Amino acid sequence: QITLKESGPTLVKPTQTLTLTCTFSGFSLRTNGVGVGWVRQPPGKALEWLALIYWDDDKRYSPSLKSRVTITKDTSKNQVVLTMTDMDPVDTATYYCARRLVLNYYMDVWGNGTTVTVSS
Amino acid sequence: QSALTQPASVSGSPGQSITISCTGTSSDVGGFNYVSWYQQHPGKAPKLMIYDVSNRPSGVSNRFSGSKSGNTASLTISGLQAEDEADYYCSSYTSSSVPWVFGGGTKLTVL
Repeated sequence: QITLKESGPTLVKPTQTLTLTCTFSGFSLRTNGVGVGWVRQPPGKALEWLALIYWDDDKRYSPSLKSRVTITKDTSKNQVVLTMTDMDPVDTATYYCARRLVLNYYMDVWGNGTTVTVSS
Repeated sequence: QSALTQPASVSGSPGQSITISCTGTSSDVGGFNYVSWYQQHPGKAPKLMIYDVSNRPSGVSNRFSGSKSGNTASLTISGLQAEDEADYYCSSYTSSSVPWVFGGGTKLTVL
């Protein structure tokens, strides 16, 4: 069974750095063609793709957030970490991680998400 | 990147069929056969229901079907059941600098 679970702080202050961890099971980021990405959803708004990392450490970022976002992986722990700097109240959202297989043009398995509020 | 356009809500009675539309542009929906649909129950993870316009993953009911015409994709749910009540999101691969664009979501109410 493939599962992904997001974890991290529920509340961060403006200008702080957010660090979220996606812990997954049922697959490995050592396997060719596997990727894990992050998507967020502000309250009442659309889903927004943020970043993705592949088995070969290739990384892709949303151009609008590229200067603030970093994605890394720890294959030994089956984890992917998203770091977002200079948080703002507009970054308040539910953050999801999900798997992508490189031959597919969709994210096939998603985590339940973690809600992050940015407020002083 | 603008979201794909979906109706905010649709409703139907048990046993009926409903269709949710998803309108994009020639740079996303119209340009590729890579439209996917996700179902999301409150507090739950999005679940892939349709991929590549009209394909169902293993385990998804054949009551769910997808299609596309021009820049508009559609999700049809036939024989509505109470368990189908959820939010539905469309997504498309895009030729822009981001690989995916999503719709704003449609809330399905089963009356």
